[in-house]
Amino acid sequence: DSGVTQTPKHLITATGQRVTLRCSPRSGDLSVYWYQQSLDQGLQFLIQYYNGEERAKGNILERFSAQQFPDLHSELNLSSLELGDSALYFCASRKILAGVDTDTQYFGPGTRLTVL
Amino acid sequence: AQTVTQSQPEMSVQEAETVTLSCTYDTSESDYYLFWYKQPPSRQMILVIRQEAYKQQNATENRFSVNFQKAAKSFSLKISDSQLGDAAMYFCAYVHPPQGGSEKLVFGKGTKLTVNP
Repeated sequence: DSGVTQTPKHLITATGQRVTLRCSPRSGDLSVYWYQQSLDQGLQFLIQYYNGEERAKGNILERFSAQQFPDLHSELNLSSLELGDSALYFCASRKILAGVDTDTQYFGPGTRLTVL
Repeated sequence: AQTVTQSQPEMSVQEAETVTLSCTYDTSESDYYLFWYKQPPSRQMILVIRQEAYKQQNATENRFSVNFQKAAKSFSLKISDSQLGDAAMYFCAYVHPPQGGSEKLVFGKGTKLTVNP
């Protein structure tokens, strides 16, 4: 158990709908990352938040958005869903302390999204 | 842009034997970190081992060790005394420490390891 939690585990929805994926980082980890794993694209970085602020963006579609709340949990919002959005969505967290930077990202169990 | 290449889509090994998974990467940076993650059928991404580029000594974690060749940009994973529980997808990943930039992990496409009893 990495200490990173994600809910829900599975999500089945229809095209055009909107869903929210939730992630709670490990205790004390300020940085949260979202990744998408699909059969054709592999594991791709979507977006990173650090202490409530967006820090980096990757291949994230405009239909997708995310935020990190004061309690450090994060939500990934996917809207106007398409069949191609079906994938496993991972959240990872990393501890960043003043003067100390640990580089390892620890992954949650993932949310499997199926768009029908 | 940094890239990570795993040239072996699939590998197999007999239980108790040793297997080596290959990984090469491309970067112009001198300071970075490399990782091997394991993804069993449960789909959980599990950290296996990490290597700092500034360290010449190869990392070791129990039955797992790496052969890090910085000049060749090669980072292979050796699994000794393979066990049935080692069967999984193995992903090689790279990250460049941030200096105001992205801290994203760049992954290879993975190697599926089968362990035969």
